[in-house]
Amino acid sequence: GAGVSQSPSNKVTEKGKDVELRCDPISGHTALYWYRQSLGQGLEFLIYFQGNSAPDKSGLPSDRFSAERTGGSVSTLTIQRTQQEDSAVYLCASTPDRATAGEKLFFGSGTQLSVL
Amino acid sequence: QKEVEQDPGPLSVPEGAIVSLNCTYSNSAFQYFMWYRQYSRKGPELLMYTYSSGNKEDGRFTAQVDKSSKYISLFIRDSQPSDSATYLCAMRGGGADGLTFGKGTHLIIQP
Repeated sequence: GAGVSQSPSNKVTEKGKDVELRCDPISGHTALYWYRQSLGQGLEFLIYFQGNSAPDKSGLPSDRFSAERTGGSVSTLTIQRTQQEDSAVYLCASTPDRATAGEKLFFGSGTQLSVL
Repeated sequence: QKEVEQDPGPLSVPEGAIVSLNCTYSNSAFQYFMWYRQYSRKGPELLMYTYSSGNKEDGRFTAQVDKSSKYISLFIRDSQPSDSATYLCAMRGGGADGLTFGKGTHLIIQP
């Protein structure tokens, strides 16, 4: 596709369940980011993948959060034992490479996660 | 004190007015400054990018960075109803891989 694709667009789950959110970046983009956007809050950095390097996980809020990127393309963000405070929009973004990471992120439309 | 402060608004102005949006920050290591525009239920999209201090103009949009005051601005001239959106400032520097975003200002342009 032409842009960053995220699925599902909406996810409603019960407290304590695990969820998986998917991101399909723009073809050829080596850098991939996950951000979280909570109501009334700015975008919170979660994790960053660059090529085959070890990911920067410094933004993950707890060990219930993990992410992987297979084959340098598709990424999955997993939240285990979801809590109500995990409710937010989870945004994925990609860029061609790290050199341009400070210039332009291409964002998907996000996954709206609601934990009941 | 948060690293980046931005008034969430809403800011409501009549069509044709000049709009001024601002952010302040505390981290002197920030070198890259961006403004993103986000429409409802969409991801943010880059609007303006500035490296270090100075001004940058693109059509009706002007971005200003004053590193000595740790203050950045976005000006929109001849504002249009289609400019109604949330505007997020973002910054990067000091070797960090991720951007630090403000909370965003919700802008409403009244026809």
